[in-house]
Formats: sequence, structure tokens, C-alpha cells
Amino acid sequence: QSALTQPPSASGSPGQSVTISCTGTSSDVGAYTYVSWYQYHPGKAPKLMIYEVSERPSGVPDRFSGSKSGNTASLTVSGLQAEDEADYYCSSYAGGNTLVFGGGTKLTVL
Amino acid sequence: EVQLVESGGGLVQPGGSLRLSCAASGFTFSSYWMNWVRQAPGKGLEWVGKIKQDGSEKYYVESVKGRFTISRDNAKNSLYVQMNSLSAEDTAVYYCARGGVTRYKGPDYWGQGTLVTVSS
Repeated sequence: QSALTQPPSASGSPGQSVTISCTGTSSDVGAYTYVSWYQYHPGKAPKLMIYEVSERPSGVPDRFSGSKSGNTASLTVSGLQAEDEADYYCSSYAGGNTLVFGGGTKLTVL
Repeated sequence: EVQLVESGGGLVQPGGSLRLSCAASGFTFSSYWMNWVRQAPGKGLEWVGKIKQDGSEKYYVESVKGRFTISRDNAKNSLYVQMNSLSAEDTAVYYCARGGVTRYKGPDYWGQGTLVTVSS
């Protein structure tokens, strides 16, 4: 299975919104609603931010939202804050009991 | 509080073997699929494999099939991965991550990871 495609980097100023895309195929992102997004600070455990395309775990600010259209899923961070600066990864169920991740996007808060 | 603590990482020579462990607490371990995920230096996350609640089903990424074996001991709330025939490409931080009750859900809680370095 091939990795999902994410832009290597994204940026925005405090208070702005930024959207990170995650493009797969009709065999993974396009086929299932099991898309997740993770926030990763190097040296720490990845943190689940969005699951099942658009669901937010308890404790995750509602500034984080997810969506999907066709083979592309998106994570939007609204009202950017300095603490949002991190790497973000998407993942999707890919059929055959496998999971595939995106290559990761480094979000910079300017 | 869900906690996952990996151990067993270290330096191993090419062709060697290593067994990683993950101690789970704060949830009913036997009710969840469990995953191993790795991150090579400077690279993104890569799913390694997963195991069903009762250990009856195991699935792997193509690159580790035949070399890695995932197992679990529900009595000890522990997850394992036996890694054989290691190569430099297996150098990575290995994370233990809780899956869902169903086979489809991605990981939710993750450990801090343990570093495996394959080098002579």
C-alpha cells in the first residue's frame, strides 16, 4: 500500500485558519470513513485529533475539524495558536485489515 | 488514564533479532485491537502491523511479513513484536498504539516509543 499524500508544510499566522489535505485513492480514503488525524511533537506520543473523518475526541479543541471529499480528506485548524505548531499525520483504513499513513505535514505558526 | 509503555529497543546488528514489549494500563486490554507503528529517522509514520483482541488474527505491512511477529498476552496486559532478520531499513522509533474494538478504527492512544537502531 502507498502512503497517503500530504503537503510537506503548511503555515499561518495566529488567529488564521489553515487546512491540510490528505489524498489517497478509492481503495483507502475514498472507500472508508475511517480517516484519522494525529498531532505529533517530536519526542512525544502522537495525539489523536480527529477520527472517523470528522469526529473529535474529548479534550480536543473545536478549532480542529475534519472533512472528506472523494479521495481527499482535510484537517482544518481555525484560530491558530502557537501551541498548534507540530507535525500532523493522517491515516486511513486501507482494506485487507491494513492501515496507511500520510507522509506528514509540518505546521508552522508564523 | 490509558498508558502504553514500550521497552526493549536498542542497538542490534544487521541480521539480528530484537523483541519489543508494550505494557498497557488504564483500559481493558483484551477488548482492543493493538498496533505497532514506526517512524524512521526523518521519515513519516508507517504502520507495521496489528493483532486482534484474542490474538487469532494478525496483519502486517508487506515489508515486514515473514520477519516480524506480533503477539499479545492479555493476562499480562502486554503486546509484543518479535523482529528477525533486521536491516538498516528497520531503524526507527517503534510505537505501540491502541486500535479500536472493531478492525477498522485507527489508533487512538500511543506510547512514547522505543528506538531500534540496526547498525554494525
